[in-house]
Amino acid sequence: KQEVTQIPAALSVPEGENLVLNCSFTDSAIYNLQWFRQDPGKGLTSLLLIQSSQREQTSGRLNASLDKSSGRSTLYIAASQPGDSATYLCAVNSGNTPLVFGKGTRLSVIA
Amino acid sequence: GAVVSQHPSWVICKSGTSVKIECRSLDFQATTMFWYRQFPKQSLMLMATSNEGSKATYEQGVEKDKFLINHASLTLSTLTVTSAHPEDSSFYICSARDPRGGLYNEQFFGPGTRLTVL
Repeated sequence: KQEVTQIPAALSVPEGENLVLNCSFTDSAIYNLQWFRQDPGKGLTSLLLIQSSQREQTSGRLNASLDKSSGRSTLYIAASQPGDSATYLCAVNSGNTPLVFGKGTRLSVIA
Repeated sequence: GAVVSQHPSWVICKSGTSVKIECRSLDFQATTMFWYRQFPKQSLMLMATSNEGSKATYEQGVEKDKFLINHASLTLSTLTVTSAHPEDSSFYICSARDPRGGLYNEQFFGPGTRLTVL
């Protein structure tokens, strides 16, 4: 059974810092991995989706990498801003099965 | 990306009543939809997989008779919380898989429904 772990559970950084969020999964037979953002009381916003054949994806200040063989992904946020404060969720797609989510990393960027 | 809507966005009801939540795929036909539940400061927990025209597949520990799922069309799935109790208060999120994506079919999420049972 696929399990997804995210470290750290919470992170507080001053504005402007570059930061890395980690995600690991137990079964490397995945089709893709997705990073989401969730603001308090809101739904999910998809940030980046990495196919299993890809190594990384970039969108603006966000860069996500995937090392499928080792079961790891990282989300890199450059020059963090207070507006980046949210919970970041990592989810794995193993085929015709629902996404399996990690517990998330709660990020606070302090001005 | 594809759009998934949910209605209502929030609902407050009395204990013992039933509440229906709708999930619609707006610009694609979804043969499969998923229902998740999220408690405060927790991650999303899959409740059931809804397949158009057939019975839903429930995850272990989810009561089928309490959480009724109907997927009557390719664009609509409904979740009915029957005889709701305060412990059913939660954030319910649906998602739909766009079959046009082939093996890499992405799941698109609705904005969620906040249920509060008094």
